[in-house]
Amino acid sequence: DAGVTQSPTHLIKTRGQQVTLRCSPKSGHDTVSWYQQALGQGPQFIFQYYEEEERQRGNFPDRFSGHQFPNYSSELNVNALLLGDSALYLCASSLGGLGVRYGYTFGSGTRLTVV
Amino acid sequence: TQLLEQSPQFLSIQEGENLTVYCNSSSVFSSLQWYRQEPGEGPVLLVTVVTGGEVKKLKRLTFQFGDARKDSSLHITAAQPGDTGLYLCAGEKSGSRLTFGEGTQLTVNP
Repeated sequence: DAGVTQSPTHLIKTRGQQVTLRCSPKSGHDTVSWYQQALGQGPQFIFQYYEEEERQRGNFPDRFSGHQFPNYSSELNVNALLLGDSALYLCASSLGGLGVRYGYTFGSGTRLTVV
Repeated sequence: TQLLEQSPQFLSIQEGENLTVYCNSSSVFSSLQWYRQEPGEGPVLLVTVVTGGEVKKLKRLTFQFGDARKDSSLHITAAQPGDTGLYLCAGEKSGSRLTFGEGTQLTVNP
């Protein structure tokens, strides 16, 4: 039973570039949430996708956008990268947005470094 | 503004000692979760507490949710080197997004 799969595991980009991160949810899960975790801090909520729509959004600029596909996988896109975007990007899957009832499963993350 | 305050931020103890980590907020949460995260990995769910005053035990770990559902604690008895990691509390309000604390980095020395 595959858990949450994220790709790539590591990425180095130059300031101003664009990046796409990918997430495949745990089998049976249909909701994907994205979090940004800066070094030494707790994860910060970016947004959540359910039924191919953005359901909730955290306090992140429009440079951060996403998409969910019919197979429930998801992408996180970041445009015009800043040095401050360097972080571990985590994907968490759950069922029907009911994280409390059925639990969240996190992937191992994508480590993005902006130089 | 950090809605969930964790303390201490860093904790280094010897094997066999007991410890308590605290998670406090001025907000009420419908549930609170505790995660453990190791370097290069995502957080792994340890427990979810939902009812005010609830106490859950997971082997040597004891989790408590405050009566008012604003705070929680994690107590580890007889800590072992394998307990080393970043412990995160995360609160959930209606709407299913998680708000994380900044974490407690625990190091258990043999």
